Amino acid sequence: DTAVSQTPKYLVTQMGNDKSIKCEQNLGHDTMYWYKQDSKKFLKIMFSYNNKELIINETVPNRFSPKSPDKAHLNLHINSLELGDSAVYFCASSQDQALRETQYFGPGTRLLVL
Amino acid sequence: AQSVTQPDIHITVSEGASLELRCNYSYGATPYLFWYVQSPGQGLQLLLKYFSGDTLVQGIKGFEAEFKRSQSSFNLRKPSVHWSDAAEYFCAVGDTSGTYKYIFGTGTRLKVLA
Repeated sequence: DTAVSQTPKYLVTQMGNDKSIKCEQNLGHDTMYWYKQDSKKFLKIMFSYNNKELIINETVPNRFSPKSPDKAHLNLHINSLELGDSAVYFCASSQDQALRETQYFGPGTRLLVL
Repeated sequence: AQSVTQPDIHITVSEGASLELRCNYSYGATPYLFWYVQSPGQGLQLLLKYFSGDTLVQGIKGFEAEFKRSQSSFNLRKPSVHWSDAAEYFCAVGDTSGTYKYIFGTGTRLKVLA
């Protein structure tokens, strides 16, 4: 059983399009995250939800909108895609928002904007 | 603000040789420290973490790390590297200022020679 899964694994799209990435965790965790990893492998938090409530919202363009329909799902919708959005997006989850809790990462979604 | 530095972008070792990956952090109090590994095309997996207590921490896959407050370091070590250890290694610090987020280093890519 995959603990944290993401779909799609690869996403190639044109500039200006709108796309969504889905994330699901079956670990029963309360907290979920979206990270962006750029071409230099730098990993940065974008958003975090705890029990469906937004708790971390980094300086991210408002073209990015996370949605958490329930504790097990955290989706990322991106409007008007730009070249600079090309990256690997990772979803993660943890038991709760305490920093001592291990974060479990999904396999990533590789987004390429042409 | 807290930060994490991984001075080595790339490291190459021969299979069977020992390994040490460096991590330095900036933080006033005792930080929450983590080492994650990312295999090619995969998500991140926790190797080990440190919050308090014994400064030598044992992790999975034969890895260990030592917290040295005087040097603000949390270096990762393995006595004998296997070819399957080739991956990207990330050090992270938990931001305890109330933001509930990890701050990741820029990663060290490990290459293992047969």
